Amino acid sequence: RKEVEQDPGPFNVPEGATVAFNCTYSNSASQSFFWYRQDCRKEPKLLMSVYSSGNEDGRFTAQLNRASQYISLLIRDSKLSDSATYLCVVNIFGNEKLTFGTGTRLTIIP
Amino acid sequence: DAGITQSPRHKVTETGTPVTLRCHQTENHRYMYWYRQDPGHGLRLIHYSYGVKDTDKGEVSDGYSVSRSKTEDFLLTLESATSSQTSVYFCAISDGDPRTSPLHFGNGTRLTVT
Repeated sequence: RKEVEQDPGPFNVPEGATVAFNCTYSNSASQSFFWYRQDCRKEPKLLMSVYSSGNEDGRFTAQLNRASQYISLLIRDSKLSDSATYLCVVNIFGNEKLTFGTGTRLTIIP
Repeated sequence: DAGITQSPRHKVTETGTPVTLRCHQTENHRYMYWYRQDPGHGLRLIHYSYGVKDTDKGEVSDGYSVSRSKTEDFLLTLESATSSQTSVYFCAISDGDPRTSPLHFGNGTRLTVT
């Protein structure tokens, strides 16, 4: 099993819709979680950290489910500019660094 | 955006030649990292540095070496480039614990080894 696993998609979603995707991680002792977005041929950029109690930033909501070992990202009222690849990043216990998922591609359709 | 500059942005080189990629930061962050990104693999850590002259290997370090002689510069060298090293290379920085602090990336170097 991969340490960090994401559905690669693509998710094709109409503009204005709500979309959610998950990321599962293998080590129950993982402590740090992030979502990054990456536009085509660009560098990854931090979207938001994921806190135990869940957190929201505008149209974006991140949640952590420790019992089932996954984090989720919910995007409400999706915009064309939300089209990107979303990377899940987790600190795997025992590793000194962060581990990246392979990403979920999202396309918002007009 | 964090002040990170990678050079060159694009490079084409032949198998067997040495190649050096440069990462320069203006943020005075302690930690610097080199990643490669390939389809189906996501971002994989090559080497990282936790201070001047302090470096360590990541998960895919074979065939690569690094040097950090100044806080602001982190160099990645491919001693003898191979076609399997064709990839997009990203430098990243962070100012805190590597296990918990988010990373900020440079805009990448596209390397093609023919």
